[in-house]
Amino acid sequence: KQEVTQIPAALSVPEGENLVLNCSFTDSAIYNLQWFRQDPGKGLTSLLLIQSSQREQTSGRLNASLDKSSGRSTLYIAASQPGDSATYLCAVDGSSNTGKLIFGQGTTLQVKP
Amino acid sequence: NAGVTQTPKFQVLKTGQSMTLQCAQDMNHNSMYWYRQDPGMGLRLIYYSASEGTTDKGEVPNGYNVSRLNKREFSLRLESAAPSQTSVYFCASENLQGNSYGYTFGSGTRLTVV
Repeated sequence: KQEVTQIPAALSVPEGENLVLNCSFTDSAIYNLQWFRQDPGKGLTSLLLIQSSQREQTSGRLNASLDKSSGRSTLYIAASQPGDSATYLCAVDGSSNTGKLIFGQGTTLQVKP
Repeated sequence: NAGVTQTPKFQVLKTGQSMTLQCAQDMNHNSMYWYRQDPGMGLRLIYYSASEGTTDKGEVPNGYNVSRLNKREFSLRLESAAPSQTSVYFCASENLQGNSYGYTFGSGTRLTVV
């Protein structure tokens, strides 16, 4: 059974720092991996999607990497801002491409001014 | 605005009552999903529908039923609510075909069962 883990559960950094959020998964047979952002009391917003054949994806200050063989993904946030404060979740779609996502518990990020 | 619309946003039920959570998307997506989010548990899939007329169980389907009324609408029904079903429920839709691949979530329904 696929399990997804995100460490740390919470992170607090001063504004301007570069930071890395970690995601690990137990079964390397995945179709893709996605990173989402969730603001308090809101739904999820898709940030980046990495197909299994890809190593990384970039969007603005965000860069996500994928290492299937080691079962790991990282989300790199450059020059963090207070507006980046949110919970970040990673999720994997199994090898059958059904869109059925297995989520990690998330990392809650606070960026202090 | 295009997206996924969920109703209601908040609901309080008494144990044993029934209700239906509504979800509609206007992006012409084939696939739709219902997840629940509990503290410390992340999101877990309840049911999904790969296309109009088809539904399948996810990780935590017990106590729920679903209906894919048409391509736009996917409803979740609690026949006899239990306190363990207190949660935030999210509907999502996705286009798994072609080069367009996007997962869109609704804003959620916060359900409390007392």
